[in-house]
Parts: sequence; C-alpha cells; structure tokens
Amino acid sequence: NAGVTQTPKFQVLKTGQSMTLQCAQDMNHNSMYWYRQDPGMGLRLIYYSASEGTTDKGEVPNGYNVSRLNKREFSLRLESAAPSQTSVYFCASSEGSWTEAFFGQGTRLTVV
Amino acid sequence: SQQGEEDPQALSIQEGENATMNCSYKTSINNLQWYRQNSGRGLVHLILIRSNEREKHSGRLRVTLDTSKKSSSLLITASRAADTASYFCATDGNFGNEKLTFGTGTRLTIIP
Repeated sequence: NAGVTQTPKFQVLKTGQSMTLQCAQDMNHNSMYWYRQDPGMGLRLIYYSASEGTTDKGEVPNGYNVSRLNKREFSLRLESAAPSQTSVYFCASSEGSWTEAFFGQGTRLTVV
Repeated sequence: SQQGEEDPQALSIQEGENATMNCSYKTSINNLQWYRQNSGRGLVHLILIRSNEREKHSGRLRVTLDTSKKSSSLLITASRAADTASYFCATDGNFGNEKLTFGTGTRLTIIP
C-alpha cells in the first residue's frame, strides 16, 4: 500500500507564480488535511476536509485554496506564491479525528 | 494560535534514561494523540488517548491525560538512540468538525 502520496517532493517558485500540491490516499479515509511546518512553529493546519465535497479553513488559510476532488485526492493551490509561503507542506488522512492520521512525506517549497 | 504547546521545546538525555515531555491544550477535546517525526520525514502516530481515559501504555510509551488541567504527558522509558526525534501532541478540539491540530513539538536527543 502506498498510503499517502504527495507530489512534488521539492519545488522552487518565483514570487507571484502559482502551483498546485497534489495529495492522494489509498486507505479510503474520509478526512484529509493540509499542514505547513516552519522551524519552531510545529505543524499548522491550513485546510481540512471531513468528507468528499466539504472543505474547511484551519489556522492559516490565507493565500491558499483547496479542492477535494474525490475521496482519494485533496489538492492545495497557491494562486500567487509569496516568500512567506516557503515551508514544508504535509498532507495527511484519517478515518476521522478520533483515529490516527497518516502522513505523506512532505513537499519542500521555496518561494524566491 | 495553536491548540497545543509542548514542553520542553528541547530535551537531551543519556541513552537508557527516561524522557518525559508535556503537552498543554486550550479547549475541550475528545481525543489526544502523540506523534513522532524523524528529521525531514512525515509524522508517525504513536498513541491515542480518549478524554475519558487517564493513562495508556504502549510498549515503552506511557501517556497520561488530565482533562481538568488540559494537559498530557508522554513518557518514554529506557530511551534508545533511535528515539531521537521530534514529538508532537495533536487534539481534535471536541468541535465535532474533524479538525486535528498539533502543538509546537519537543525535540528529543538521545546521547549514546
């Protein structure tokens, strides 16, 4: 089983460029999450989706949009990248918040 | 701001000693989870404790939960070099909305 797969693993963007981070899970989970991790800040929730067709804002949603394309896939889009969005992004999935979450290996994004 | 705060931020101990780290959170919860992150990797689930439980064990891990103080502790006994990692607590917030938020983490270093 692949678990949670994120693409790409690394990306460098110029300020103002757009891109979409892809996430797919093969565990038939209902809930999916996007986090960003910055040094000393732990993981901060950007957006989450409790089920196919629903999305909700987390702690730091500004500058991001998400799409729960189907039960398997949850994408994160940066419309106009800014240097403050330089971070490591993690996607996760779970049956629900009452069970363990499974994480992808992360996307290291640098905005110059 | 983040739901959870771990304490201490960093901890160094000799191999074989016990390591204790603490998590405080702000709002009522249904469940609290602990995760480990090896450098540059995704998070791995360690243990989940429900709000009606006070203590839980898994191998060398012992977790306690005090909902009256909104705090939890993770004890790792007989530490090993392989336990060197960052440890995070995560809570679901009792909102019924599947939100899973993480604390800032404790960086544990085991000295051989």
